[in-house]
Amino acid sequence: QVRLVQSGAELKTPGASVKVSCKASGYTFTGYFMHWVRQAPGQGLEWMGWVNPKSGGTKYAQKFQGRVTLTRDTSINTVYMELSSLRSDDTATFYCARGGGVAVAGTEFDYWGQGTLVTVSS
Amino acid sequence: QSVLTQPPSASGTPGQRVTISCSGSSSNIGSETVNWFQHLPGTAPTLLIYSYNQRPSGVADRFSGSKSGTSASLAISGLQSEDEADYYCAAWDDRLSGWVFGGGTKLTVL
Repeated sequence: QVRLVQSGAELKTPGASVKVSCKASGYTFTGYFMHWVRQAPGQGLEWMGWVNPKSGGTKYAQKFQGRVTLTRDTSINTVYMELSSLRSDDTATFYCARGGGVAVAGTEFDYWGQGTLVTVSS
Repeated sequence: QSVLTQPPSASGTPGQRVTISCSGSSSNIGSETVNWFQHLPGTAPTLLIYSYNQRPSGVADRFSGSKSGTSASLAISGLQSEDEADYYCAAWDDRLSGWVFGGGTKLTVL
Protein backbone atom coordinates (compact mmCIF):
# COMPACT_ATOMS: atom_id res chain seq x y z
CA GLN A 1 0.00 0.00 0.00
CA VAL A 2 1.07 3.58 -0.63
CA ARG A 3 2.74 5.19 2.38
CA LEU A 4 4.35 8.58 2.85
CA VAL A 5 6.32 8.87 6.10
CA GLN A 6 7.67 12.26 7.12
CA SER A 7 10.45 13.24 9.48
CA GLY A 8 9.77 14.40 13.00
CA ALA A 9 8.93 17.75 14.53
CA GLU A 10 11.51 20.55 14.41
CA LEU A 11 12.20 23.60 16.56
CA LYS A 12 14.09 26.35 14.78
CA THR A 13 15.18 29.89 15.57
CA PRO A 14 14.29 32.81 13.29
CA GLY A 15 16.62 33.10 10.33
CA ALA A 16 17.49 29.41 10.29
CA SER A 17 16.54 26.82 7.70
CA VAL A 18 14.62 23.58 8.07
CA LYS A 19 14.69 20.47 5.91
CA VAL A 20 11.77 18.04 6.11
CA SER A 21 11.86 14.60 4.51
CA CYS A 22 9.11 12.44 3.06
CA LYS A 23 9.86 8.78 2.38
CA ALA A 24 7.60 7.04 -0.12
CA SER A 25 6.80 3.35 -0.39
CA GLY A 26 4.25 1.08 -2.03
CA TYR A 27 4.47 2.54 -5.55
CA THR A 28 6.97 3.55 -8.23
CA PHE A 29 8.60 6.60 -6.66
CA THR A 30 9.70 8.18 -9.95
CA GLY A 31 6.26 7.74 -11.48
CA TYR A 32 4.43 10.46 -9.58
CA PHE A 33 4.95 14.11 -8.69
CA MET A 34 5.13 15.06 -5.01
CA HIS A 35 3.46 18.16 -3.60
CA TRP A 36 4.20 20.05 -0.40
CA VAL A 37 1.40 21.80 1.49
CA ARG A 38 1.61 24.05 4.53
CA GLN A 39 -0.94 24.67 7.27
CA ALA A 40 -0.26 27.37 9.82
CA PRO A 41 -2.05 27.14 13.18
CA GLY A 42 -5.73 28.00 12.77
CA GLN A 43 -5.24 28.59 9.05
CA GLY A 44 -6.10 26.73 5.87
CA LEU A 45 -4.08 24.59 3.51
CA GLU A 46 -1.54 26.33 1.28
CA TRP A 47 0.26 24.78 -1.69
CA MET A 48 4.01 25.32 -1.70
CA GLY A 49 5.13 23.49 -4.82
CA TRP A 50 5.89 20.13 -6.39
CA VAL A 51 8.91 18.11 -7.39
CA ASN A 52 9.19 15.61 -10.21
CA PRO A 53 11.06 12.70 -8.62
CA LYS A 54 12.08 11.35 -12.04
CA SER A 55 13.77 14.49 -13.39
CA GLY A 56 14.22 16.58 -10.25
CA GLY A 57 12.27 19.38 -11.89
CA THR A 58 10.32 21.68 -9.60
CA LYS A 59 7.45 24.17 -9.58
CA TYR A 60 7.05 26.62 -6.70
CA ALA A 61 4.17 28.78 -5.55
CA GLN A 62 4.95 32.45 -6.07
CA LYS A 63 4.69 33.11 -2.35
CA PHE A 64 7.53 30.71 -1.54
CA GLN A 65 9.72 31.31 -4.59
CA GLY A 66 13.31 31.95 -3.49
CA ARG A 67 12.81 30.54 0.00
CA VAL A 68 11.80 26.94 -0.64
CA THR A 69 13.81 24.19 -2.30
CA LEU A 70 12.35 20.80 -3.17
CA THR A 71 14.75 17.96 -3.90
CA ARG A 72 14.69 14.19 -4.10
CA ASP A 73 16.95 11.18 -3.59
CA THR A 74 15.83 8.36 -5.84
CA SER A 75 18.16 5.86 -4.13
CA ILE A 76 16.04 6.00 -0.97
CA ASN A 77 12.66 7.06 -2.44
CA THR A 78 12.67 10.28 -0.45
CA VAL A 79 11.77 13.88 -1.25
CA TYR A 80 12.86 16.88 0.79
CA MET A 81 11.44 20.33 1.47
CA GLU A 82 13.87 22.96 2.67
CA LEU A 83 12.55 26.34 3.80
CA SER A 84 15.09 29.05 4.54
CA SER A 85 15.09 32.41 6.35
CA LEU A 86 12.50 31.14 8.78
CA ARG A 87 10.19 33.60 10.52
CA SER A 88 7.82 33.09 13.41
CA ASP A 89 4.90 33.07 11.00
CA ASP A 90 6.43 30.04 9.27
CA THR A 91 5.38 27.98 12.27
CA ALA A 92 3.17 25.38 10.66
CA THR A 93 2.56 21.74 9.86
CA PHE A 94 4.03 20.73 6.53
CA TYR A 95 2.61 17.85 4.50
CA CYS A 96 3.85 15.96 1.47
CA ALA A 97 1.15 14.60 -0.82
CA ARG A 98 1.44 12.43 -3.90
CA GLY A 99 0.65 14.17 -7.15
CA GLY A 100 -0.35 13.06 -10.59
CA GLY A 101 1.59 10.73 -12.81
CA VAL A 102 4.80 11.89 -14.46
CA ALA A 103 4.11 10.06 -17.70
CA VAL A 104 0.34 9.55 -17.54
CA ALA A 105 -2.42 11.49 -15.84
CA GLY A 106 -3.08 10.59 -12.23
CA THR A 107 -5.08 11.77 -9.27
CA GLU A 108 -3.59 14.76 -7.50
CA PHE A 109 -3.17 14.72 -3.70
CA ASP A 110 -4.43 11.14 -3.34
CA TYR A 111 -2.05 10.14 -0.53
CA TRP A 112 -0.65 12.35 2.22
CA GLY A 113 2.16 12.13 4.74
CA GLN A 114 1.34 12.39 8.43
CA GLY A 115 2.61 15.97 8.65
CA THR A 116 5.66 17.56 10.27
CA LEU A 117 5.29 20.39 12.76
CA VAL A 118 7.93 23.08 12.41
CA THR A 119 8.02 25.63 15.21
CA VAL A 120 9.98 28.83 14.71
CA SER A 121 10.74 30.58 17.97
CA SER A 122 13.59 32.42 19.61
CA GLN B 1 -7.31 35.91 1.35
CA SER B 2 -7.74 32.61 -0.51
CA VAL B 3 -8.14 32.48 -4.29
CA LEU B 4 -11.03 30.04 -3.87
CA THR B 5 -13.84 31.22 -1.60
CA GLN B 6 -15.60 28.88 0.82
CA PRO B 7 -18.01 29.69 3.64
CA PRO B 8 -16.12 29.52 6.94
CA SER B 9 -18.72 27.30 8.56
CA ALA B 10 -21.61 24.98 7.86
CA SER B 11 -23.79 22.83 10.05
CA GLY B 12 -26.47 20.19 9.96
CA THR B 13 -28.19 17.55 12.03
CA PRO B 14 -27.65 13.80 11.69
CA GLY B 15 -29.29 12.44 8.56
CA GLN B 16 -29.54 15.84 6.91
CA ARG B 17 -27.98 16.86 3.57
CA VAL B 18 -25.39 19.64 3.66
CA THR B 19 -23.76 21.48 0.76
CA ILE B 20 -20.45 23.37 0.86
CA SER B 21 -19.68 25.82 -1.93
CA CYS B 22 -16.36 26.81 -3.50
CA SER B 23 -16.27 29.90 -5.69
CA GLY B 24 -13.42 30.61 -8.08
CA SER B 25 -12.79 32.11 -11.50
CA SER B 26 -12.25 31.23 -15.14
CA SER B 27 -8.56 30.58 -14.50
CA ASN B 28 -9.17 27.86 -11.94
CA ILE B 29 -12.53 26.16 -11.37
CA GLY B 30 -13.87 27.43 -14.69
CA SER B 31 -11.26 25.58 -16.69
CA GLU B 32 -9.64 23.02 -14.41
CA THR B 33 -10.58 20.06 -12.27
CA VAL B 34 -11.55 20.47 -8.61
CA ASN B 35 -10.59 18.29 -5.67
CA TRP B 36 -12.21 18.19 -2.25
CA PHE B 37 -10.51 17.14 0.98
CA GLN B 38 -11.64 16.24 4.48
CA HIS B 39 -9.34 17.27 7.32
CA LEU B 40 -9.79 16.05 10.85
CA PRO B 41 -7.71 17.86 13.51
CA GLY B 42 -4.40 16.18 14.19
CA THR B 43 -4.55 13.97 11.11
CA ALA B 44 -3.53 14.29 7.48
CA PRO B 45 -6.09 15.56 4.97
CA THR B 46 -7.80 12.88 2.89
CA LEU B 47 -9.00 13.12 -0.70
CA LEU B 48 -12.79 12.99 -0.92
CA ILE B 49 -13.55 14.02 -4.49
CA TYR B 50 -11.35 14.51 -7.58
CA SER B 51 -12.13 15.69 -11.09
CA TYR B 52 -15.23 17.50 -9.80
CA ASN B 53 -17.29 14.41 -9.01
CA GLN B 54 -15.14 11.27 -8.79
CA ARG B 55 -14.74 9.42 -5.50
CA PRO B 56 -11.56 7.51 -4.65
CA SER B 57 -12.15 3.93 -3.59
CA GLY B 58 -13.16 3.76 0.03
CA VAL B 59 -14.97 7.09 0.11
CA ALA B 60 -18.65 6.71 0.96
CA ASP B 61 -21.17 7.53 -1.76
CA ARG B 62 -22.75 9.99 0.69
CA PHE B 63 -20.12 12.40 -0.59
CA SER B 64 -20.65 13.91 -4.03
CA GLY B 65 -19.22 16.81 -6.02
CA SER B 66 -20.50 19.05 -8.78
CA LYS B 67 -19.49 22.10 -10.76
CA SER B 68 -21.34 24.94 -12.45
CA GLY B 69 -19.38 27.63 -14.26
CA THR B 70 -16.74 28.98 -11.90
CA SER B 71 -18.17 27.38 -8.76
CA ALA B 72 -18.04 23.89 -7.32
CA SER B 73 -19.97 22.21 -4.54
CA LEU B 74 -19.51 19.32 -2.16
CA ALA B 75 -22.66 17.62 -0.92
CA ILE B 76 -22.83 15.32 2.07
CA SER B 77 -26.03 13.35 2.47
CA GLY B 78 -27.11 11.31 5.47
CA LEU B 79 -24.92 13.46 7.69
CA GLN B 80 -23.12 11.56 10.46
CA SER B 81 -21.30 12.78 13.56
CA GLU B 82 -18.02 11.48 12.14
CA ASP B 83 -18.38 13.93 9.24
CA GLU B 84 -17.56 16.79 11.61
CA ALA B 85 -14.32 18.12 10.11
CA ASP B 86 -12.79 20.86 7.99
CA TYR B 87 -13.41 20.63 4.24
CA TYR B 88 -11.23 22.21 1.55
CA CYS B 89 -11.56 22.61 -2.18
CA ALA B 90 -8.54 22.94 -4.46
CA ALA B 91 -7.91 23.58 -8.15
CA TRP B 92 -5.07 24.31 -10.52
CA ASP B 93 -4.94 27.98 -11.44
CA ASP B 94 -3.72 28.72 -14.97
CA ARG B 95 -3.03 32.40 -14.26
CA LEU B 96 -1.00 31.74 -11.10
CA SER B 97 0.46 28.56 -12.57
CA GLY B 98 -0.03 26.75 -9.29
CA TRP B 99 -2.53 24.93 -7.10
CA VAL B 100 -4.88 27.04 -5.00
CA PHE B 101 -6.97 26.01 -2.01
CA GLY B 102 -10.12 27.41 -0.52
CA GLY B 103 -9.97 28.81 2.98
CA GLY B 104 -11.77 25.78 4.37
CA THR B 105 -15.22 25.18 5.81
CA LYS B 106 -15.69 23.88 9.33
CA LEU B 107 -18.63 21.49 9.37
CA THR B 108 -20.44 21.01 12.66
CA VAL B 109 -22.89 18.16 13.18
CA LEU B 110 -25.44 19.43 15.69
